[in-house]
Amino acid sequence: GENVEQHPSTLSVQEGDSAVIKCTYSDSASNYFPWYKQELGKGPQLIIDIRSNVGEKKDQRIAVTLNKTAKHFSLHITETQPEDSAVYFCAASVGLNYGGSQGNLIFGKGTKLSVKP
Amino acid sequence: GAVVSQHPSRVICKSGTSVKIECRSLDFQATTMFWYRQFPKQSLMLMATSNEGSKATYEQGVEKDKFLINHASLTLSTLTVTSAHPEDSSFYICSAHRGFNQPQHFGDGTRLSIL
Repeated sequence: GENVEQHPSTLSVQEGDSAVIKCTYSDSASNYFPWYKQELGKGPQLIIDIRSNVGEKKDQRIAVTLNKTAKHFSLHITETQPEDSAVYFCAASVGLNYGGSQGNLIFGKGTKLSVKP
Repeated sequence: GAVVSQHPSRVICKSGTSVKIECRSLDFQATTMFWYRQFPKQSLMLMATSNEGSKATYEQGVEKDKFLINHASLTLSTLTVTSAHPEDSSFYICSAHRGFNQPQHFGDGTRLSIL
């Protein structure tokens, strides 16, 4: 089955700097890659996602890149702010047309991002 | 945007009690809902996939009789932790999506504490 590795487990940056979180996946059939932000005591919030037919996607200060050949994808946050501090999870999913089961998400172990003012 | 509501947000109860957690999709019909368990400082572990009108699909190692799932409508799934014990204490989170390869949207979780 799919296995998702996420690095680093903790990341501390100065306000205004960029933060990069990387994930690798094992199943070449995976075709959907969301990123979630989880604040303390809350459920994960979808912040950006990318599908396998796209190499890069941007939404204001957040971008995600996907390298299908190498089976890795990354989250880039620019001009970080203290409110970006949270745990970030990457995930991978295989859709039904690839024989997967209902788009189940396989999550990485998370990255705790701390942005220091 | 899509909103998933989970209730209650926190439960504290005695060992042996059964606890029901509700997950509702507020502005869309969810063909599938998912139930996760999250231990402190760890990732989300999928417990089961809930499909409207049919039996839930449980992940390996998850006891069906312990964690009862009902998905009676396209907007509501419930998880009942039966005869809960302290080891069942955890953060339970549900999610919902409109269909496969559609984003999963998560509720805010239920903190379950069994004394």
